[in-house]
Amino acid sequence: KAGVTQTPRYLIKTRGQQVTLSCSPISGHRSVSWYQQTPGQGLQFLFEYFSETQRNKGNFPGRFSGRQFSNSRSEMNVSTLELGDSALYLCASSDPGQGAEAFFGQGTRLTVV
Amino acid sequence: AQKITQTQPGMFVQEKEAVTLDCTYDTSDQSYGLFWYKQPSSGEMIFLIYQGSYDEQNATEGRYSLNFQKARKSANLVISASQLGDSAMYFCAIWAGGTSYGKLTFGQGTILTVHP
Repeated sequence: KAGVTQTPRYLIKTRGQQVTLSCSPISGHRSVSWYQQTPGQGLQFLFEYFSETQRNKGNFPGRFSGRQFSNSRSEMNVSTLELGDSALYLCASSDPGQGAEAFFGQGTRLTVV
Repeated sequence: AQKITQTQPGMFVQEKEAVTLDCTYDTSDQSYGLFWYKQPSSGEMIFLIYQGSYDEQNATEGRYSLNFQKARKSANLVISASQLGDSAMYFCAIWAGGTSYGKLTFGQGTILTVHP
């Protein structure tokens, strides 16, 4: 069974640009969550999607958005990039139902210059 | 709101010895789950073990066990027979009930170094 796949693995963008990150969950998993990891703030929850609906959202500005497709694949978008958006972005997938184990991808390392 | 506290920024252990990584949590929810993840330098978060708040037995997964003390709000990870490949960052996390869909709250992590 394939794990969670995130693409691309690495990205370098310029301030003001926008970026789209992709996450393909484990087959059969309908819940996808996104996290931002930085040395200063640690791991912070961005949002969660289940069956194409955003069910939960963390405390991030509106520049951070996401969506989920009918095949459960998810994308997150960051518009008007800032230097502080440089981080490792991780997505996690889980079985339907709260409290189930969440399995993470390898992450996308975004550098904003 | 949920909170995870990991008080050990770094831990050192000799190969083949056991090590305990501390984790305390705070939540007002009665139904919650506790997780431990390992993050090597590659960045991937690797799921290690899960304990539900209503589970009466401590969770075990191979060399990993979770010492769950509900009254003390403690969920320590015990790694037995440490291996060099165990060197990594370890995170404790909590999911709490209600509308916390998909949201895990993580601690700051503990860097574990295994010496040969």
